[in-house]
Amino acid sequence: AQKITQTQPGMFVQEKEAVTLDCTYDTSDPSYGLFWYKQPSSGEMIFLIYQGSYDQQNATEGRYSLNFQKARKSANLVISASQLGDSAMYFCAMRVQGGGNKLTFGTGTQLKVEL
Amino acid sequence: EAGVAQSPRYKIIEKRQSVAFWCNPISGHATLYWYQQILGQGPKLLIQFQNNGVVDDSQLPKDRFSAERLKGVDSTLKIQPAKLEDSAVYLCASSSPRGLAGTDTQYFGPGTRLTVL
Repeated sequence: AQKITQTQPGMFVQEKEAVTLDCTYDTSDPSYGLFWYKQPSSGEMIFLIYQGSYDQQNATEGRYSLNFQKARKSANLVISASQLGDSAMYFCAMRVQGGGNKLTFGTGTQLKVEL
Repeated sequence: EAGVAQSPRYKIIEKRQSVAFWCNPISGHATLYWYQQILGQGPKLLIQFQNNGVVDDSQLPKDRFSAERLKGVDSTLKIQPAKLEDSAVYLCASSSPRGLAGTDTQYFGPGTRLTVL
C-alpha cells in the first residue's frame, strides 16, 4: 500500500522569503510519480509540479522546485520568493505504476504568507 | 482550454435525501475521476473511468453511491440516501496520457461542497 506523510499541519513564511514544505512517501513499487497540488480557499486543486521516480534531475516550475531525495523517500516542495497569493493548502500526492492512475494524497500543509 | 466543470458548487440536504453531482472533463480527456475530500483530509478516490468504463471503484460505497459516464464525456455521481458522514467536498478530475510529458497529470474542477444535515 502507498502512503504519503506531511508532518507540518501549518507553516508561516514572510513575503519574499523561501519556504520548504515536507513530504515523505512509502511504496514498494519501483516506478512512481510524485505530485504537488495547491488548494486555495476556493477549493480547486491546482497542479504545481511533478517528479518521476526515474527522473535524474529535480523538477522545477517557475518559483516551485521539488527537492527529491529518493533514498530518504522524500519529495519536499520549495517555494521561492513567497507571495501573498501563495497562502493556501498544499498537498503532496503519489501515483504508482501498478495502481492505474490513482493518486494517494497526504493530509496537507496550510501555508500562510505574511507581510 | 476550458478546465474541468462541476455543478452545483454547493448543496445542502437533509440526511436520507438523494443528491447528484455533475462533471464535465477537459475536452479530449479520456480518464475521469471522482474524489471525496472530508474536511482536514486529502482527497480520496471514489471511482475512476476510462472513457465510459470503470477502472477502479474499490472505495466507492456501492450501497449508497453510484456513478456513470454513459457517453464517455460527462459524468454524474449520485448519493442515495445521504448520511451525515457524506458531508465533504466532491472533486472531479480528468487526465490524458498525452498530456504533460506523458505524466497523465490529473486536473481538478472546483468541487461541490455537500453539507448533510
